[in-house]
Amino acid sequence: DTEVTQTPKHLVMGMTNKKSLKCEQHMGHRAMYWYKQKAKKPPELMFVYSYEKLSINESVPSRFSPECPNSSLLNLHLHALQPEDSALYLCASSQGLGGQGFLTEAFFGQGTRLTVV
Amino acid sequence: GENVEQHPSTLSVQEGDSAVIKCTYSDSASNYFPWYKQELGKRPQLIIDIRSNVGEKKDQRIAVTLNKTAKHFSLHITETQPEDSAVYFCAATTNAGKSTFGDGTTLTVKP
Repeated sequence: DTEVTQTPKHLVMGMTNKKSLKCEQHMGHRAMYWYKQKAKKPPELMFVYSYEKLSINESVPSRFSPECPNSSLLNLHLHALQPEDSALYLCASSQGLGGQGFLTEAFFGQGTRLTVV
Repeated sequence: GENVEQHPSTLSVQEGDSAVIKCTYSDSASNYFPWYKQELGKRPQLIIDIRSNVGEKKDQRIAVTLNKTAKHFSLHITETQPEDSAVYFCAATTNAGKSTFGDGTTLTVKP
């Protein structure tokens, strides 16, 4: 199983709503990532989790709150978003067995297309 | 932080021709250089990757070269086919798992 599964596929939310994006993988990967991708732009790294611990936060606003409940699951909690936060949110995972372990293929999920109204 | 520049931004070739995309990076801590293909509305998918201790890698019609001294790496696709049409991203990744992507190249292969 080389799948990274993200739910929901599409999400429309108001600026006062609270919602969560979910990501799941069963490849035994110990590194998981959140990326944000705007139209016609490259993916931009937001967070990196290694062994369920947050290891990189790319100065992401606090209205985005990541959570890694276990080695297979990654959530992104959203609160008080702005219209400019509308984008495709991609989850990815890789082996991530420390150090050189990050130097392996990242498998991406299909993404959640988020629209903030 | 890392800065990855990718050229060209668009590339149009005739079916059967070769395509070359080039990237430069700035952070000497980057040790892993994957190339992703992203079709419209789909997820990025790895097509080839190279680690810093290797100068060249080939997989059928696709090859990647790395010059770590000059901090540049290139993707070569030979015998292009219409199904190769997509956006291609290079990336530079550190041991900490931080990946920085180039801005992408839109490749169009004309039948």
